[in-house]
Amino acid sequence: GNSVTQMEGPVTLSEEAFLTINCTYTATGYPSLFWYVQYPGEGLQLLLKATKADDKGSNKGFEATYRKETTSFHLEKGSVQVSDSAVYFCALSDQGYSTLTFGKGTMLLVSP
Amino acid sequence: EAGVVQSPRYKIIEKKQPVAFWCNPISGHNTLYWYLQNLGQGPELLIRYENEEAVDDSQLPKDRFSAERLKGVDSTLKIQPAELGDSAVYLCASSSGQGIAKNIQYFGAGTRLSVL
Repeated sequence: GNSVTQMEGPVTLSEEAFLTINCTYTATGYPSLFWYVQYPGEGLQLLLKATKADDKGSNKGFEATYRKETTSFHLEKGSVQVSDSAVYFCALSDQGYSTLTFGKGTMLLVSP
Repeated sequence: EAGVVQSPRYKIIEKKQPVAFWCNPISGHNTLYWYLQNLGQGPELLIRYENEEAVDDSQLPKDRFSAERLKGVDSTLKIQPAELGDSAVYLCASSSGQGIAKNIQYFGAGTRLSVL
């Protein structure tokens, strides 16, 4: 079956530091890949997505590239802000199906 | 445009009591999902509706959980009777189910259930 593995948190950074959150996946075929973010007390929000190999998703300074050869979709940001503190979830869906398979989430804590 | 609306936001009940959660998806979204999110875990699908039809309920514990989406719009998820292990956040999501946006799901804020 499908699965998503994320690095464990919390990830603790100072403001303006570089961020990487690792995500690898197992799936048959060619899944679509997503990063969702969950701020305290709120629902999940789509951060970015990629639907085929070598696609790069980007939003709000965050980027992730769909790497089929390494089955990875690592999230990066060049300079984090305190407001980026949240839980980040990597997820996939099979082509033609809409159900998402999520990783366990990685908490990011950014201090001033 | 309003997002996915869930109520209540919080619910505290004693074990063996019934409980119900309500979800109103984004207008025009045909696909509706209920997810279970345990503490420190990612959401896991309970049931998926295409309009009023439950097309994937394989992960729904049918001995105590039930769901309905009678008119293909809002939905209710029920637990009867609740057990201590049901304490979690119950998330509702919707998607348009069409075209390139088919896989983009929009989530509500969730209902946090505590069973005492």
